[in-house]
Amino acid sequence: DIQLTQSPSSLSASVGDRVTITCRASQSISTYLNWYQQKPGKAPTLLMFSASKLQSGVPSRFSGSGSGTDFTLTISSLQPEDFATYFCQQSFSTLTFGGGTKVEI
Amino acid sequence: QVQLLESGGGLVKPGGSLRLSCEASGFSFSDYYMSWIRQAPGKGLEWLSYINGNGYTIYYADSVKGRFTISRDNAKTSLYLQMDSLRVEDTAVYYCVRDHDGAADHWGQGTLVTVSS
Repeated sequence: DIQLTQSPSSLSASVGDRVTITCRASQSISTYLNWYQQKPGKAPTLLMFSASKLQSGVPSRFSGSGSGTDFTLTISSLQPEDFATYFCQQSFSTLTFGGGTKVEI
Repeated sequence: QVQLLESGGGLVKPGGSLRLSCEASGFSFSDYYMSWIRQAPGKGLEWLSYINGNGYTIYYADSVKGRFTISRDNAKTSLYLQMDSLRVEDTAVYYCVRDHDGAADHWGQGTLVTVSS
């Protein structure tokens, strides 16, 4: 199975900060990489698909980049509603998720 | 709008069985792969199984292969997960998701399965 390693596992940030989360795959996955946001007690929601495509309804302050093994999710200006846990997921082969990154105040 | 409503979770003893259901609405159900994903308390996400639109292509994670069975009834726009030989480590919230090109673009609210003696 393809392993996904997210870093950091948690981070502290303030409203207005630029935040970057990375996801590294154990082998090349082209751009078969998706990002999700999960708030406490809620189901995850899809933010980005195919590494850099914004899901409908997701604010443009979210962006994604990367291909091959290294990917990033960037929040250009952190908003109060963005404090959550973020997961990457690959769909190149048997679907797997990264361990998550908790964004805290 | 797309809605996925899971049911069937609860408390079961180790070795027991449970059947989860997911009622879908708001989209052409038979056109989509569907999956089950779970999340143990305080842990990350684990994809368990997917099934294609006509039910003929099915895949399982190694952790549940041989114990869990995914199925669907397109006439009832419903997805199912039969879980047998349950273990304590199967305790989790189980989500029904719609799969769009490998991305889970819609999720149910989740149903909690607790395996404990």
